Amino acid sequence: DGGITQSPKYLFRKEGQNVTLSCEQNLNHDAMYWYRQDPGQGLRLIYYSQIVNDFQKGDIAEGYSVSREKKESFPLTVTSAQKNPTAFYLCASSIDGQGGIFDGYTFGSGTRLTVV
Amino acid sequence: DQQVKQNSPSLSVQEGRISILNCDYTNSMFDYFLWYKKYPAEGPTFLISISSIKDKNEDGRFTVFLNKSAKHLSLHIVPSQPGDSAVYFCAASAGNTPLVFGKGTRLSVIA
Repeated sequence: DGGITQSPKYLFRKEGQNVTLSCEQNLNHDAMYWYRQDPGQGLRLIYYSQIVNDFQKGDIAEGYSVSREKKESFPLTVTSAQKNPTAFYLCASSIDGQGGIFDGYTFGSGTRLTVV
Repeated sequence: DQQVKQNSPSLSVQEGRISILNCDYTNSMFDYFLWYKKYPAEGPTFLISISSIKDKNEDGRFTVFLNKSAKHLSLHIVPSQPGDSAVYFCAASAGNTPLVFGKGTRLSVIA
């Protein structure tokens, strides 16, 4: 079955540490996205990539970094520069870079990051 | 500045009745609109969409209405079922830009 996998589901990080969230898809989608969900804030875009080896900042990119070396993978690193990293992180993919207008995005099941 | 607004954080509806979830937007460049459903600790799932060239799209119990002049869309669920209880996100797209999401509305369907 094709899908998008995020791991781990729960992640704890000490303050001052970097942590990398994994996102893998086998849907042959060109575009991938990272969103962050906070209570009452909806989904806010962190980074997105419409093609391999290229990515763009979203609305809240500060304190985060990404890479897109393979079509299937779009890992997100939460750095120590991110002031409020505790949140639910969602990865998504779409067939092309057209914002998923034809089929919408396929989302992973999310990673809950907690800073302790 | 919030481009997609869902002004009702929550909504309670009795089972069998109609649920109406509302969404307003400010960016006139948006040309495609989507609704997603989300359960706790899971990723959102695509529900229904509408292009700006239409004013209505139906899929089973779900209908989305678009009023471009008012920059308003709504999702109607009829009849509502307990399994519909979830958070619903409205999202919009302008050309090849990523989806912009609203803050969501938590729907509770009471048996």
